[in-house]
Amino acid sequence: DIQMTQSPSTLSASVGDRVTVTCRASQSISNWLAWYQQKPGKAPKLLIYKASNLETGVPSRFSGSGSGTEFTLTISSLQPDDFATYYCQQYITYSRTFGLGTKVEIK
Amino acid sequence: EVQLVESGGGLVQPGGSLRLSCAASGFTFNNYWMSWVRQAPGKGLEWVANIKQDGSDKNYVESVKGRFTISRDNAKNSVHLQMNSLRAEDTAVYYCARGGDYHRCWGQGTPVTVSS
Repeated sequence: DIQMTQSPSTLSASVGDRVTVTCRASQSISNWLAWYQQKPGKAPKLLIYKASNLETGVPSRFSGSGSGTEFTLTISSLQPDDFATYYCQQYITYSRTFGLGTKVEIK
Repeated sequence: EVQLVESGGGLVQPGGSLRLSCAASGFTFNNYWMSWVRQAPGKGLEWVANIKQDGSDKNYVESVKGRFTISRDNAKNSVHLQMNSLRAEDTAVYYCARGGDYHRCWGQGTPVTVSS
């Protein structure tokens, strides 16, 4: 199975900060990567698919980049609603895998 | 409005069985793969299984192979997860999700607790 490693596991930031979350795949996944946001007690919400495609309705401060084995999710100016946990997910193999998550906390 | 509503979760003893269901509405169900994703308490997301539009292709995470079976009823716009030989490590909230790759739509989740 392809392992997805996210870093950092926790990130402390302030409103207005530029935030970057990294996701590394144990082997090349081309650009078959999605990013999700999850808040406590809620289902995940799709933010980005195919590494860099912004899901409809998601604010443009979110962006995704990368290909192969290294990917990033960037929030250009952190807003109060963005404090949450973020997950990457590969979907190149029939057995999908998620990263362990990055929790974005208030500094 | 797209809706996915899970049901069937609960408390079960180790070795027991449960059948989860997911009722879909607001979209053409038989156009989409469907998936189950779970989340253990305080942990991250884990993909569990998915099923093709016509049910002809099914995939499972290694840890549930031979114990869990995914199925669907396109006439009733529903997808199911039959879970047998349950273990403590299967304790999680189980989400139904639309799509076999990435997931635009998710249900609210149904909790499963495996404990004696």
